[in-house]
Amino acid sequence: AQKVTQAQTEISVVEKEDVTLDCVYETRDTTYYLFWYKQPPSGELVFLIRRNSFDEQNEISGRYSWNFQKSTSSFNFTITASQVVDSAVYFCALSTSGEKGAQKLVFGQGTRLTINP
Amino acid sequence: EPEVTQTPSHQVTQMGQEVILRCVPISNHLYFYWYRQILGQKVEFLVSFYNNEISEKSEIFDDQFSVERPDGSNFTLKIRSTKLEDSAMYFCASSEYRLNTEAFFGQGTRLTVV
Repeated sequence: AQKVTQAQTEISVVEKEDVTLDCVYETRDTTYYLFWYKQPPSGELVFLIRRNSFDEQNEISGRYSWNFQKSTSSFNFTITASQVVDSAVYFCALSTSGEKGAQKLVFGQGTRLTINP
Repeated sequence: EPEVTQTPSHQVTQMGQEVILRCVPISNHLYFYWYRQILGQKVEFLVSFYNNEISEKSEIFDDQFSVERPDGSNFTLKIRSTKLEDSAMYFCASSEYRLNTEAFFGQGTRLTVV
């Protein structure tokens, strides 16, 4: 069975601090994709990144960076120099191929990140 | 930038009533999905739809639920007889291909059953 665990339910930091959100996943598939989505207070789900199981290169996009480690089944997300606008719930998700090949996202419980001014 | 559009943004309905949640996926996408998020909880897969038929459904997606693509643009989720526990945010999503592209989500429809 596929599973995503985000052990940190809530994190609160002061603006400009760096913060890392943890994500651990379980799957028996050899081909899979990992995602991070942001859910701001307005409620929509905003796509942040996709990473496939064959690409373990870390990625940096502005203040955001992602560390994918297959050996520990982790896909952690770091925000550098956090800002108040980063306050949101962040979801890690695992994409597996369901029946007939359609994508099916399995989400973690989410981490509520609060950045205090 | 193309986006997935959902209507209405908020729907209040009485228990036992039927509701239809509507979605317009991104035009060149082939796969369509519904997900549900009960307040404060994680996002859960309900159903995937491809080539005018259901590809997969979760155990949540029981006989009270149905999906349809009535024309070339809309994708709907119908709940026949709503229950209090159906209160949730419902997200529609679409993707171009299967595994190797991200699903783009709509802004959600908040369904409140009273």
